[in-house]
Formats: sequence, structure tokens, C-alpha cells
Amino acid sequence: AQTVTQSQPEMSVQEAETVTLSCTYDTSESNYYLFWYKQPPSRQMILVIRQEAYKQQNATENRFSVNFQKAAKSFSLKISDSQLGDTAMYFCAFMKYNTDKLIFGTGTRLQVFP
Amino acid sequence: GAGVSQTPSNKVTEKGKYVELRCDPISGHTALYWYRQSLGQGPEFLIYFQGTGAADDSGLPNDRFFAVRPEGSVSTLKIQRTERGDSAVYLCASSLGGNPDTQYFGPGTRLTVL
Repeated sequence: AQTVTQSQPEMSVQEAETVTLSCTYDTSESNYYLFWYKQPPSRQMILVIRQEAYKQQNATENRFSVNFQKAAKSFSLKISDSQLGDTAMYFCAFMKYNTDKLIFGTGTRLQVFP
Repeated sequence: GAGVSQTPSNKVTEKGKYVELRCDPISGHTALYWYRQSLGQGPEFLIYFQGTGAADDSGLPNDRFFAVRPEGSVSTLKIQRTERGDSAVYLCASSLGGNPDTQYFGPGTRLTVL
């Protein structure tokens, strides 16, 4: 079975600074997808970024980028130029190829301070 | 356009009662998912519909839980004989149905069983 581990329950960062959220996963699959979702207090999960395991290049979306280390089964999220609106829970998630089931970690609560 | 909507936003019920939670997916999305998020945890997969049929119901915890999607659009999650342990936020998501396709989440229904 696949598992996703987020070892940082809480993180904080000052506005305009950079922060990195950690995620590791365990799987015997070779084809899969990885995601970072953001959940603000409104509860609505929002996709931040996704990575296909077969792609060596790290995904980027504006201020968000990932460091995908397939051999180490690590998938960290870097947020640059942090903004107050980035304050939220962040969940790392895994999806096996040819399935539609997301497996989530326990989340990291990020607080951005002015 | 309109996102995924879920009703009610909050539901309080007594142990042993029956509840129905409704999900309206994004128009045109053929895939629909239900997840359950307990306090302090990431969402856990319950069931996935492709069209009207349940393609994967492996996450339903027991036979008290049942979900339908009779016309391939709106879905209802039904819980019989509710227990205090069923208290959680129930999240619904929809997607266009490709693999992998971005799952768009609703705001969830917070169920409290007294």
C-alpha cells in the first residue's frame, strides 16, 4: 500500500521569504503522480502543483516549485516570495497510474506573518 | 463557471440517525469522488464514480455507507445508523475523467454526530 508522510505539522514564514514543505512517500509503483493541495479555512482543497513521476524536470507554477527526488521518494514544495494569502494547510498527495484515488498526507499548517 | 457545491454545509445529527449529503459537480465532469477528512488528518478516499456507476468503492468503511449518482451528475452519500466516529468533513470532488485529471473539490459538509 502507498503511504504519504508529511513530517512538519506546522511551519511559519515571514512575508516575502521562502519556505519549503517536506513530503516523502512509499510505493513500489514506477508510474504515479504527485500533487500538492492547499486547504484554506474555507475547507476547499485547491490544486497547487502536480508532478508526473516519469518527468525528471521539476514542476513549477509561478511562485511554487517542487523538488522531486524519485530515488529518495521525496517531493518537497518550495514557496517563494510568500504572501499572506498562502496561509493554509498544505497536503501532499499520491496517485497511482491508471487509478483516480488520491492518497493524502496528514498536512502541514503554514502561517505567513507580515 | 460554478464550482463543486455541497449541501448542507454543516449537519448535526444524533447517533443512530440516517443522513444524506449532496454533491453537485462541475457541469460536464464525468468523474465524481467522495473523501472523508477527520480532524487533523488528510482526506481519505471513499468512492469514485465514472458516469452513473461506482468505479471504485474500496474506501467505504462499512455497509452503513452508500453513495449513488443516478443520472451521472448529482451524487448523494448516504450514511445509515450514524455513529460518533462518523463525525468528519465529507469532501466531494469532480473531474473531466482523464488520468490523471485535476480533481476540483467542493467546500465539504461538516457532519457532527452527537
